[in-house]
Amino acid sequence: RKEVEQDPGPFNVPEGATVAFNCTYSNSASQSFFWYRQDCRKEPKLLMSVYSSGNEDGRFTAQLNRASQYISLLIRDSKLSDSATYLCVVINSGGNQFYFGTGTSLTVIP
Amino acid sequence: NAGVTQTPKFQVLKTGQSMTLQCAQDMNHNSMYWYRQDPGMGLRLIYYSASEGTTDKGEVPNGYNVSRLNKREFSLRLESAAPSQTSVYFCASSVATGPQPQHFGDGTRLSIL
Repeated sequence: RKEVEQDPGPFNVPEGATVAFNCTYSNSASQSFFWYRQDCRKEPKLLMSVYSSGNEDGRFTAQLNRASQYISLLIRDSKLSDSATYLCVVINSGGNQFYFGTGTSLTVIP
Repeated sequence: NAGVTQTPKFQVLKTGQSMTLQCAQDMNHNSMYWYRQDPGMGLRLIYYSASEGTTDKGEVPNGYNVSRLNKREFSLRLESAAPSQTSVYFCASSVATGPQPQHFGDGTRLSIL
């Protein structure tokens, strides 16, 4: 079983739509979680950390569900510039292993 | 403000050739990482260096060696390149290991024929 799994998509949504991605992880002792964004042929860039209580940054909301072992990313009022691949990252309890999901592709359509 | 700089950006090698990928960061970070990214596989950790003077294996270390030359620089060496090592390689750094975000270089696209 993979450490981290994501639905690869693609998600094609109209501008202004709300879209949500999930990422499941297999190790219940995982410590830390992040969402990254990766544009085509570019490097991953940190989007936001994921805190236990959930956190929001503008149109983006990240949540953690430890009981069901998944994290989620919600994007409200989608913009064309949100088109990218979104990667989740899970860090183990020892802090020395970092597992990236394969990414979920989002295309926002005019 | 360069962040993480990788060289070269592109390289084509023949099977059996050797090569070193260079990475330098100017953020005074303690920890550095090498990943490879393949279609459908996501980013996989090859090696990391928690601090200057230490290196540890990641998920896919076979066929690679690393050197943490100083706090700024972390190099990745392929001693005898194989077609299976064709990939995009990313270097990253963070303040420390653990729950710290990582900052990535813009990648090296390596093809081995």
